[in-house]
Amino acid sequence: AQKITQTQPGMFVQEKEAVTLDCTYDTSDPSYGLFWYKQPSSGEMIFLIYQGSYDQQNATEGRYSLNFQKARKSANLVISASQLGDSAMYFCAMRMGQHQGAQKLVFGQGTRLTINP
Amino acid sequence: DVKVTQSSRYLVKRTGEKVFLECVQDMDHENMFWYRQDPGLGLRLIYFSYDVKMKEKGDIPEGYSVSREKKERFSLILESASTNQTSMYLCASSRPTLAKNIQYFGAGTRLSVL
Repeated sequence: AQKITQTQPGMFVQEKEAVTLDCTYDTSDPSYGLFWYKQPSSGEMIFLIYQGSYDQQNATEGRYSLNFQKARKSANLVISASQLGDSAMYFCAMRMGQHQGAQKLVFGQGTRLTINP
Repeated sequence: DVKVTQSSRYLVKRTGEKVFLECVQDMDHENMFWYRQDPGLGLRLIYFSYDVKMKEKGDIPEGYSVSREKKERFSLILESASTNQTSMYLCASSRPTLAKNIQYFGAGTRLSVL
């Protein structure tokens, strides 16, 4: 069964430091997609970055990058130069395959990131 | 910008009540989803819909039903609310692409069942 694991329940980082949030996944399907979402205290889930299983290069979006290691089945989120506004819950998610049911996402447990001034 | 609106941010209901959670999206998305979020468990899919009047069970459908009479609106129904349904409920929508099909979320409804 497809599964996403985030092993860091909480992380504390000093402002302006880089931070890596871990995500490992398990799937036997060769085609899949990986997403990271941010959930501030307001509750809304905000899409950050996407990586397809066949993408040759690691995805980047501004200060966010995805360290995709396919053989290790990991998709870690890297935030460069962290800011106070980065304090939030972060979720890793996986889209499964290319069939119609692939519209669904499976989510990890989440990591609560706190940026200290 | 995509807008997904959930009718209530906070809701308090009594055990046994019938509860309706409403979700509306304004981007003409075919797909709509209902998740519940609990600490340590992440988001778990309750139901989803590919089109009007079409629905499919997610991973935890027990105790819930859904309705999609119009494309923009997806309702989650708790037929007889129980205390173990106290949770944060999130609605999402997306286009039916098979690659980067980003799901856009509402702000969530925090439901307490007493």
